[in-house]
Amino acid sequence: DTGVSQNPRHKITKRGQNVTFRCDPISEHNRLYWYRQTLGQGPEFLTYFQNEAQLEKSRLLSDRFSAERPKGSFSTLEIQRTEQGDSAMYLCASSSLTGEGNQPQHFGDGTRLSIL
Amino acid sequence: AQSVSQHNHHVILSEAASLELGCNYSYGGTVNLFWYVQYPGQHLQLLLKYFSGDPLVKGIKGFEAEFIKSKFSFNLRKPSVQWSDTAEYFCAVNVVRGSTLGRLYFGRGTQLTVWP
Repeated sequence: DTGVSQNPRHKITKRGQNVTFRCDPISEHNRLYWYRQTLGQGPEFLTYFQNEAQLEKSRLLSDRFSAERPKGSFSTLEIQRTEQGDSAMYLCASSSLTGEGNQPQHFGDGTRLSIL
Repeated sequence: AQSVSQHNHHVILSEAASLELGCNYSYGGTVNLFWYVQYPGQHLQLLLKYFSGDPLVKGIKGFEAEFIKSKFSFNLRKPSVQWSDTAEYFCAVNVVRGSTLGRLYFGRGTQLTVWP
């Protein structure tokens, strides 16, 4: 079962550095989502793609954050000039949009980011 | 503000006890409703979903949930819990119409601990 794959699993970096995460969705899924989860909270939506088009971005996604899905397959999430407040688990999910509507999202294991 | 509320942050039960976890949401219009479960060290997994039809939905591992539209609620139930049900449970809402078609809104989660 090839589920949603995220790399790396853990990332530790110094404040001010740039980081990039990768997400490989389930192959037949055309929708890809990024969420952020901090301790004691549920996941918060960041952005999502349908194929290669970025259809929605949350206000949480400041200008230091950028996401791409260049060929409608894998996606990257980059954070520039990281800050302490960026420490969180970054989750990727994918789903398919069928004639019956938006199907349930399948989540990856996440990338845990720690800012020193 | 629109939100998803999970009333219990931590529930502790003995095996064979009955479980009910509350979830209320404040979004108007048509919604899809989900419960996700996160076992220790694992990714979020879909427990059950409601799209339309019978408001009583059954999921995996003996869980069920009832959608009560008038109360904006989608409570999760299980008649008899097992030690292996120890996990964190998240309620999530997808608004079907409007500008936020793709995102899930999550509650903050309920940690369930089952003592053997």
